[in-house]
Amino acid sequence: GESVGLHLPTLSVQEGDNSIINCAYSNSASDYFIWYKQESGKGPQFIIDIRSNMDKRQGQRVTVLLNKTVKHLSLQIAATQPGDSAVYFCAESGGSQGNLIFGKGTKLSVKP
Amino acid sequence: NAGVTQTPKFRILKIGQSMTLQCTQDMNHNYMYWYRQDPGMGLKLIYYSVGAGITDKGEVPNGYNVSRSTTEDFPLRLELAAPSQTSVYFCASSLTGLLNSPLHFGNGTRLTVT
Repeated sequence: GESVGLHLPTLSVQEGDNSIINCAYSNSASDYFIWYKQESGKGPQFIIDIRSNMDKRQGQRVTVLLNKTVKHLSLQIAATQPGDSAVYFCAESGGSQGNLIFGKGTKLSVKP
Repeated sequence: NAGVTQTPKFRILKIGQSMTLQCTQDMNHNYMYWYRQDPGMGLKLIYYSVGAGITDKGEVPNGYNVSRSTTEDFPLRLELAAPSQTSVYFCASSLTGLLNSPLHFGNGTRLTVT
């Protein structure tokens, strides 16, 4: 079946380093991908999105890369800060309003 | 804008009790969603609505009901609470739907059924 998964359940980085969080998806029909950040006790917060007609999209300190050939999505965070510590989810939208599939999440810990 | 507001933040229910989780948004979004999040898992869609008066089942609708009488409000009803419904529930809204725009989430309701 369709699935969105994450290669690493936990990621620990030093403050100031760059972080890369990876995500695999299996539904080749998905055409809209989103990254969310969830801090403890809060709801997921939108970070950045990308459509399937793009390979790369940049935001403030974040970049999302989409490789449709291998069905891979990544989130890059530049100059990681302690405030970036959270669980990060990728999600794919596969063509209907009821079909947004979330991965299980990667926990990012930033060491000062 | 307050965004998406959920009440209550926490609730403990006994098996068989009922309750309504409230959700309201002030962004004039047509699309609204209810998700549940179990520990270590991604979010699962319970119900969604594409506009007032219209609701549809998501991936895990059993044991829940919803209504959408206004654009702003999308309450989730549990009629006979079961331990399997212990979870964190998130309401979300979207401007143009899942296919085109990101979700705006509330801060969740943590429900325990004992």
